[in-house]
Amino acid sequence: EAGVVQSPRYKIIEKKQPVAFWCNPISGHNTLYWYRQNLGQGPELLIRYENEEAVDDSQLPKDRFSAERLKGVDSTLKIQPAELGDSAVYLCASSQVVSQETQYFGPGTRLLVL
Amino acid sequence: SQQGEEDPQALSIQEGENATMNCSYKTSINNLQWYRQNSGRGLVHLILIRSNEREKHSGRLRVTLDTSKKSSSLLITASRAADTASYFCARSTSYGKLTFGQGTILTVHP
Repeated sequence: EAGVVQSPRYKIIEKKQPVAFWCNPISGHNTLYWYRQNLGQGPELLIRYENEEAVDDSQLPKDRFSAERLKGVDSTLKIQPAELGDSAVYLCASSQVVSQETQYFGPGTRLLVL
Repeated sequence: SQQGEEDPQALSIQEGENATMNCSYKTSINNLQWYRQNSGRGLVHLILIRSNEREKHSGRLRVTLDTSKKSSSLLITASRAADTASYFCARSTSYGKLTFGQGTILTVHP
């Protein structure tokens, strides 16, 4: 079974530029999560989707961050414009249903904003 | 903000020794989970312990939970160099929401 796929794996951009991350969850997983992980810290939830609906986006900085999950499968997380403090690893995770407590993580996208 | 605190922040041991990592939290939980993260990789789920459980085993892993002290521990027995990674506890307080600690960096020397 294929795991959670993320791309790109690495991204270097200059501040004020836009950037987008893509995630393909495990087939059949209805719940999708985006996390941000700063250096030396654990992941922090940005947004959670159940199918195509964002059910928890309370930690998403909505002034510059946006996300979508078209057709309840793939998801894209966008930052526009990026700031220096956005440098982090962005992790996508999925679970079969929200009640399945184990989350399966992708390898992440490491973002460096210069 | 993260509400799981892990101790120690870093642990260095020799192969064959046991490694113990601790996790404390502040609010009540539905369950507590432990994840491993190898350098530059995503997180891998290790074990889940529910709030009504006190101890759980999985291979060389043993997890305990003390809800009265709001703490958990992860024991890795007979450690191997391949166990070198960061270990995170994550508490689940509501449907699908995990709050991670800052992690323990474990280094196992061959």
